Amino acid sequence: GESVGLHLPTLSVQEGDNSIINCAYSNSASDYFIWYKQESGKGPQFIIDIRSNMDKRQGQRVTVLLNKTVKHLSLQIAATQPGDSAVYFCAENPGNTPLVFGKGTRLSVIA
Amino acid sequence: KAGVTQTPRYLIKTRGQQVTLSCSPISGHRSVSWYQQTPGQGLQFLFEYFSETQRNKGNFPGRFSGRQFSNSRSEMNVSTLELGDSALYLCASSFSGTGGARGYTFGSGTRLTVV
Repeated sequence: GESVGLHLPTLSVQEGDNSIINCAYSNSASDYFIWYKQESGKGPQFIIDIRSNMDKRQGQRVTVLLNKTVKHLSLQIAATQPGDSAVYFCAENPGNTPLVFGKGTRLSVIA
Repeated sequence: KAGVTQTPRYLIKTRGQQVTLSCSPISGHRSVSWYQQTPGQGLQFLFEYFSETQRNKGNFPGRFSGRQFSNSRSEMNVSTLELGDSALYLCASSFSGTGGARGYTFGSGTRLTVV
């Protein structure tokens, strides 16, 4: 498969545990944030998004938290499964400009 | 509905050559954005096209160019290839562009290797 990132920070979690992936964004004017998941050989896939007027948003097994004070996003994955193994990117939308992506975190699930 | 289609999936070129990559967005989407993905730099924005017009451009040299056709399909071209151009080139489509409203839908990318 594709080698997405050889030098990414890696988070290793036991199957069934919860995962927390963190992201610091750069632009205080950003009003929209997205988490993407990229599996080997594929392009990034949308997971969940959040607007700046919210602190928290929940999806199926995933929760995104936004702390605008310290410009920090986190993605929480409940009951992590082997299929969750991938590289996760946060992206910010600083207004009417293209999305800016973070460097990514590799999640490795230990069965 | 069909997703974003990028062709070819893999490409090997030699230094100095040029290459053209193709992207067909989701039907009804008018915006196509291109990103370069490398292990060291992550996803770097190249350019965005909306209704056949380049609306945004990233910080890449003039060797990188693109265009969009009336059916929203887009191509990007890289001339005088360098070893450092080896990367995964991702195309993303959206209805309105600039990543709004659930962001982009990405294709699987074209893996370009320059030797």
